[in-house]
Amino acid sequence: QSVLTQPPSVSGAPGQRVTISCTGSSSNIGADYDVHWYQQNPGTAPKFIIYGNGNRPSGVPDRFSGSKSGTSASLAISGLQAEDEADFYCQSYDSSLSGFVFGTGTKVTVL
Amino acid sequence: QVQLQQSGPGLVKPSQTLSLSCAISGDSVSSNSAAWNWIRQSPSRGLEWLGRTYYLSKWYNEYAVSVKSRITVNPDTSKNQFSLQLNSVTPEDTAVYFCARGASWPRGWYFDLWGRGTLVIVSS
Repeated sequence: QSVLTQPPSVSGAPGQRVTISCTGSSSNIGADYDVHWYQQNPGTAPKFIIYGNGNRPSGVPDRFSGSKSGTSASLAISGLQAEDEADFYCQSYDSSLSGFVFGTGTKVTVL
Repeated sequence: QVQLQQSGPGLVKPSQTLSLSCAISGDSVSSNSAAWNWIRQSPSRGLEWLGRTYYLSKWYNEYAVSVKSRITVNPDTSKNQFSLQLNSVTPEDTAVYFCARGASWPRGWYFDLWGRGTLVIVSS
C-alpha cells in the first residue's frame, strides 16, 4: 500500500555509518514535497527525527542527517549506537492521492 | 507539555463502527497552526494516514482516498479533543490507531506529536 519504497533492513557495527533510502515518484518527492523521517521502537509510537528533508528537532542527536534529491531522499546515521536499533519511516505528501504517505519502513540492526 | 490521550474500544464487530477519541492537553484543537490527524499501522498496510481536521477561520476535514466513503474526523471544542469514526469495518481494519498533531511546513506537513496508539481488533 505504501507509495514510498525503503529497504527492509540495514545493519552496521557500532560507530559505523548507515544510510536508508526512500524512493518516491513524480507525484510526491519528485513534485517538490518535503520528506520527513520517524524512528519507532517496538510497541511505541513513531517519533519524528527529521523534518523538511534535513532539519533536526531539538533533542535529536546530530548523528542523524537527511537529504533529498530528485524523487528520492536519504537518512544517514553516523557513529551508530546500540540505542539506534529501531524501525525508521519516511513520509511525504502525494498530489495524486491528495494525502500524506509513508515509506515501507526500514529496520536498523546494530551488529 | 503537550500530550495526546487516546480512548476507545479495542474490539469492534465486523460491519459496525469504530470510534476513537483523542484528548489534547497543552494545545488547542482550534489552533490555527496545527492539524489533528488519525494514522493507523498494520503489518499488511504499514503506516497509513487516514484523515485530519483543522481550523483556519473555519473547520476543514481531509480524508485518505482509501477510506473516504467510511470515515469522519470531528473536532470537539468543548472537550478540546477530536474523534475518529470508521464505518462498516472489516477484519482488514484491524490495526493500531494513532492520533497525531500535524505541524505545517512550507512544502508539506509532518507529525510532531503522537498518541500512544490503540490496538483495534475487528472480529465477531
